[in-house]
Amino acid sequence: DVVMTQSPLSLPVTLGQPASISCRSSQILIFSDGNTYLNWFQQRPGQSPRRLIYKVSDRDSGVPDRFSGSGSGTDFTLKISRVEAEDVGLYYCMQGTQWPWTFGQGTKVEIK
Amino acid sequence: EVQLVESGGGLVQPGGSLRLSCAGSGFTFSAYPMHWVRQAPGKGLESVSAISETGGTTYYASSVKGRFTVSRDNSKNTLYLQMGSLRAEDMAVYYCTRENPPGGTDYWGQGTLVTVSS
Repeated sequence: DVVMTQSPLSLPVTLGQPASISCRSSQILIFSDGNTYLNWFQQRPGQSPRRLIYKVSDRDSGVPDRFSGSGSGTDFTLKISRVEAEDVGLYYCMQGTQWPWTFGQGTKVEIK
Repeated sequence: EVQLVESGGGLVQPGGSLRLSCAGSGFTFSAYPMHWVRQAPGKGLESVSAISETGGTTYYASSVKGRFTVSRDNSKNTLYLQMGSLRAEDMAVYYCTRENPPGGTDYWGQGTLVTVSS
């Protein structure tokens, strides 16, 4: 299975400041069709996960543009340009290139 | 509006069986592969199973292979997960999700809790 490793696992941030989460995969995530199926999800307390980013950098509809994804190969990053109070929660990366799809351990974003 | 509504969770004894259902609405259900993802209490997310648009192809995590069966009834816009030989480690919230575009899931249900305990 592809192992997804996130860092940090805990991220205290100041409101209005940027935040960055790293995700590393144990294998290159390029699929045979040339796409890299790396997704980012946000899970607010008590809620279902919500996808923010798919195919490394495509933002889902309704997702604020302060969220951005980047990376290639085995190294990927989710950035929040200016953290807002509603961004508190858990963030997961997930690869959909190879079955079983696998998730990172999750990064807890909290306000300092 | 796309909606996925899971049902069927509950308390079951170790070794028991349970069938989860997920009703889809607001989209052409038969056009999308569907997935089950679970989350143990206080833990992360784990892909459990997936099924192609027609139901002809299925996938399972190694942890559930041989014990769980995924299926769908496109005439009823419903996804199923038949779970057998349940173990304590199967206890989790089970989410139904829609694959779109390929390689990712865009909509998730609210989840249904499966508790395995004697």
